Amino acid sequence: EAGVTQSPTHLIKTRGQQVTLRCSPISGHTSVYWYQQALGLGLQFLLWYDEGEERNRGNFPPRFSGRQFPNYSSELNVNALELEDSALYLCASSLVSDQPQHFGDGTRLSIL
Amino acid sequence: DAKTTQPTSMDCAEGRAANLPCNHSTISGNEYVYWYRQIHSQGPQYIIHGLKNNETNEMASLIITEDRKSSTLILPHATLRDTAVYYCIVRAPDSWGKLQFGAGTQVVVTP
Repeated sequence: EAGVTQSPTHLIKTRGQQVTLRCSPISGHTSVYWYQQALGLGLQFLLWYDEGEERNRGNFPPRFSGRQFPNYSSELNVNALELEDSALYLCASSLVSDQPQHFGDGTRLSIL
Repeated sequence: DAKTTQPTSMDCAEGRAANLPCNHSTISGNEYVYWYRQIHSQGPQYIIHGLKNNETNEMASLIITEDRKSSTLILPHATLRDTAVYYCIVRAPDSWGKLQFGAGTQVVVTP
């Protein structure tokens, strides 16, 4: 069974630009989660999507947004990139919301 | 969600059992104990979870004390590939999707 897949694996952007990260959940999983892992800050919960709807978001500004498609894949969009947005962005999926989350290997975003 | 306390780091000899402790003294009755690990440059990997009974799977065993205030993850025969940061997380079913990661324990398995 294929795991959670994320693309791209690495990305370099400059301040002020916009970026879109993509995530395909494990087949059959309907919930998708996004986390940010910045250096020295640990994993921080960003967003939770279930059945195409945003169900919860962490303490991040509105320039972090996303969506979930009918096939349950998801995108994370970050506008007006700032230097501190440099981080590993991780996507996870679960069968339903109270089941274990399974993570992809992330997208490494570097802001110059 | 309740907070957890884990040692910052641990060393373990290859082939020996690794016992990773976690304190969660303020855990609520409906909160599960989850363990994940993160090998360098990879995403976190789910290991095991439990509510109050001991659990075992192909990766590890989870021992939860009777008062549920602490738990131990046991890797029965550590290998070099078990070197990782291990996270103990307590989570209620109604946590609105959020896993609250702490700093975890850096486990180094040595030959």
